[in-house]
Amino acid sequence: SAVISQKPSRDICQRGTSLTIQCQVDSQVTMMFWYRQQPGQSLTLIATANQGSEATYESGFVIDKFPISRPNLTFSTLTVSNMSPEDSSIYLCSVMIGSYNSPLHFGNGTRLTVT
Amino acid sequence: AQTVTQSQPEMSVQEAETVTLSCTYDTSENNYYLFWYKQPPSRQMILVIRQEAYKQQNATENRFSVNFQKAAKSFSLKISDSQLGDTAMYFCAFMKALGTYKYIFGTGTRLKVLA
Repeated sequence: SAVISQKPSRDICQRGTSLTIQCQVDSQVTMMFWYRQQPGQSLTLIATANQGSEATYESGFVIDKFPISRPNLTFSTLTVSNMSPEDSSIYLCSVMIGSYNSPLHFGNGTRLTVT
Repeated sequence: AQTVTQSQPEMSVQEAETVTLSCTYDTSENNYYLFWYKQPPSRQMILVIRQEAYKQQNATENRFSVNFQKAAKSFSLKISDSQLGDTAMYFCAFMKALGTYKYIFGTGTRLKVLA
């Protein structure tokens, strides 16, 4: 299985600032996704990170708020922009490796607290 | 649209006993995949078991097995010989076999294994 490194593991940020989360995978991935997990809740898909093109966002998430880059097959970043306390969540990078029906693998997540 | 429901927010089980976690889903698709993921306090999502809808045989992975009832749209997870390390949040997830490869997660069941 792949090793997925996600940085930072946690951060405390002030409202109005931005944070960029990095996700590095040690093998080539088929698909890459970013999820949000609000306190005590399930996982919600933010977007699919597409290599070399704009990410595909889910309903309720927009590029201005959550810009995503994926310059190559193994690396992606998610930025949480102009943060407010409502953005306090765990953000998870996940990847699909191999065939398109293979299970998702997850990074350790980034716990973000906005004060 | 697909939905995944986990009706047990919390459960507990004595060490070495057996516990069953429930999951139901709603879909009009015929081909899809179902998963159980475990999220311990470390936050990392770990795949427990996977089931392909076209397979009638229930998936088994060591102490973990599923009871997949396609007509009833039910996908329960049985943990045998529960261990303290099984304490975690358990999420049921659904993915269409063809499409965008997005997972839909249930709200989770918090399982506590008691010594």
